[in-house]
Amino acid sequence: AQSVTQPDIHITVSEGASLELRCNYSYGATPYLFWYVQSPGQGLQLLLKYFSGDTLVQGIKGFEAEFKRSQSSFNLRKPSVHWSDAAEYFCAVGAPEYGNKLVFGAGTILRVKS
Amino acid sequence: KAGVTQTPRYLIKTRGQQVTLSCSPISGHRSVSWYQQTPGQGLQFLFEYFSETQRNKGNFPGRFSGRQFSNSRSEMNVSTLELGDSALYLCASSLGGLEGTEAFFGQGTRLTVV
Repeated sequence: AQSVTQPDIHITVSEGASLELRCNYSYGATPYLFWYVQSPGQGLQLLLKYFSGDTLVQGIKGFEAEFKRSQSSFNLRKPSVHWSDAAEYFCAVGAPEYGNKLVFGAGTILRVKS
Repeated sequence: KAGVTQTPRYLIKTRGQQVTLSCSPISGHRSVSWYQQTPGQGLQFLFEYFSETQRNKGNFPGRFSGRQFSNSRSEMNVSTLELGDSALYLCASSLGGLEGTEAFFGQGTRLTVV
């Protein structure tokens, strides 16, 4: 079965600073990988996805993520954080044999200091 | 095009009652998945429906059930409500193929059991 670990529960960065949110997964083959963002009381918005091919994927709002098979990681990055990026970020993993079931990490809450 | 619509947005129910939540997926999407989100357990997969059939199921008691209609709209039902069922229930819509497709989430239904 798949599993996802987001080691950081909270992260605080200054506005304009770079950001990296960590995500490690457990799955025997190459999974489908996703990053979602959630503002308080809202649903989840897809930031980016990886199915196959180029291991560096670009998403919305200036985010990117890199799939590293050797490290079972899919870390999310942004070169310059804006105050509006403050939210909770979820990494998720899927696999073809599980249909469209996603397994989510516990989430990382991002706080942005001005 | 219209996004995923969940109704109602908020519900307050009493222990022992039952509740039905509704989800209208994006037009053309045939897969609907349901998730429960709580502060303690995070995002947990309930079940997925594809072409009116349950394709996948999470580890929830039988009090949680769902169905999908021919127009892909889905409902989930929780019977004999318990205080612990208080949560944000999220519906996700996707095309449904097993080759890997992204899931789009609704705003959720906030259920409070008193």
